[in-house]
Amino acid sequence: AQSVTQLDSQVPVFEEAPVELRCNYSSSVSVYLFWYVQYPNQGLQLLLKYLSGSTLVKGINGFEAEFNKSQTSFHLRKPSVHISDTAEYFCAVSKFNDYKLSFGAGTTVTVRA
Amino acid sequence: DVKVTQSSRYLVKRTGEKVFLECVQDMDHENMFWYRQDPGLGLRLIYFSYDVKMKEKGDIPEGYSVSREKKERFSLILESASTNQTSMYLCASSTGTGVGGEIDTQYFGPGTRLTVL
Repeated sequence: AQSVTQLDSQVPVFEEAPVELRCNYSSSVSVYLFWYVQYPNQGLQLLLKYLSGSTLVKGINGFEAEFNKSQTSFHLRKPSVHISDTAEYFCAVSKFNDYKLSFGAGTTVTVRA
Repeated sequence: DVKVTQSSRYLVKRTGEKVFLECVQDMDHENMFWYRQDPGLGLRLIYFSYDVKMKEKGDIPEGYSVSREKKERFSLILESASTNQTSMYLCASSTGTGVGGEIDTQYFGPGTRLTVL
């Protein structure tokens, strides 16, 4: 089975500063990787996903993530955050030919002015 | 736009009650999922369904059952609610079968916050 570790539970950041959220996974087979965001009092929505091809994936709202197979990582970045990026972010993984997702514990990002 | 709706945003029940959580999706998706979300644990899969009347256990099925009589509706049932089932419950749906390595995005509902007293 695959597992997902989000290395930071809380990330405070000032507005317009860059942010990086770290995600590592373990799996004995090839995987697909996802980042989801949950704004306060809402469900989850997809930020971006890696299925194959270029290891740098661009998503919505200026976010991007880089797949590093040797490091088994899929870190999420944004060069300049806004107050509206305050949310909880979840990394998730699924294996080939499987539509089930395994989620990390989540990282809460709080953006301050 | 894909829409996944859940019957209640907030629900308060008593220990021992039978609880039904309903989820409806409007995009003709084959797959539907129930998760519970707890602080520090992320989302954990309770049950999923890949077709009408088909279901499979997820990682934490104990104390729960599900029903899928129609493609668009997936119900989670707590046969006898207990305080340790107080949680946020999220429903999701997706299309695709995973065959050939393809996987489609899961779309989530807004969640139901269940409190069991």
